[in-house]
Amino acid sequence: DAKTTQPPSMDCAEGRAANLPCNHSTISGNEYVYWYRQIHSQGPQYIIHGLKNNETNEMASLIITEDRKSSTLILPHATLRDTAVYYCIVRVYNNFNKFYFGSGTKLNVKP
Amino acid sequence: EAGVAQSPRYKIIEKRQSVAFWCNPISGHATLYWYQQILGQGPKLLIQFQNNGVVDDSQLPKDRFSAERLKGVDSTLKIQPAKLEDSAVYLCASSLPDNNEQFFGPGTRLTVL
Repeated sequence: DAKTTQPPSMDCAEGRAANLPCNHSTISGNEYVYWYRQIHSQGPQYIIHGLKNNETNEMASLIITEDRKSSTLILPHATLRDTAVYYCIVRVYNNFNKFYFGSGTKLNVKP
Repeated sequence: EAGVAQSPRYKIIEKRQSVAFWCNPISGHATLYWYQQILGQGPKLLIQFQNNGVVDDSQLPKDRFSAERLKGVDSTLKIQPAKLEDSAVYLCASSLPDNNEQFFGPGTRLTVL
């Protein structure tokens, strides 16, 4: 039931920007895009979310295309501690919030 | 603030046995979620509570899984009887009703032999 597709893995050099793509071509107008990450043996951790405007916080930036069919999570200066599985999620609201997790992208940050 | 607490952290049982997991959400969080995460996959929502009421249990295998949140605070997820394919990490999360962020606990890793 996942509404997103992501590459299974990506590599990034330490100190460089990590750009993680996500495709959500069937997203509806009122559905938000969320990003979570999961470091090994821990529960997922919220990163950022957005509807149609680009968003930035202390952890990352979220770029959503104008047609909203895809988005990119940007970690501006990746560190070894950013090695994790990153999930792009569509939040559906139908009287209550429902989150659909896909399989995520394993980001490997290398020294 | 204290995070979401779960216990036990690990559990090993044989198939056809019963098992229960406990979750204590962040204080004041009315919404509580149970997820199942099979190795190599993303979390799958099993059940969602708003206070002590169920708002979504469409993906809960009700013939063997049950969950309750009697006082609207902590929650228990039970499997009876367990099958081999139930081996997974069971994650509990909580959030404020209209808040965008779910806070996850560390999970319980279940191995069914």
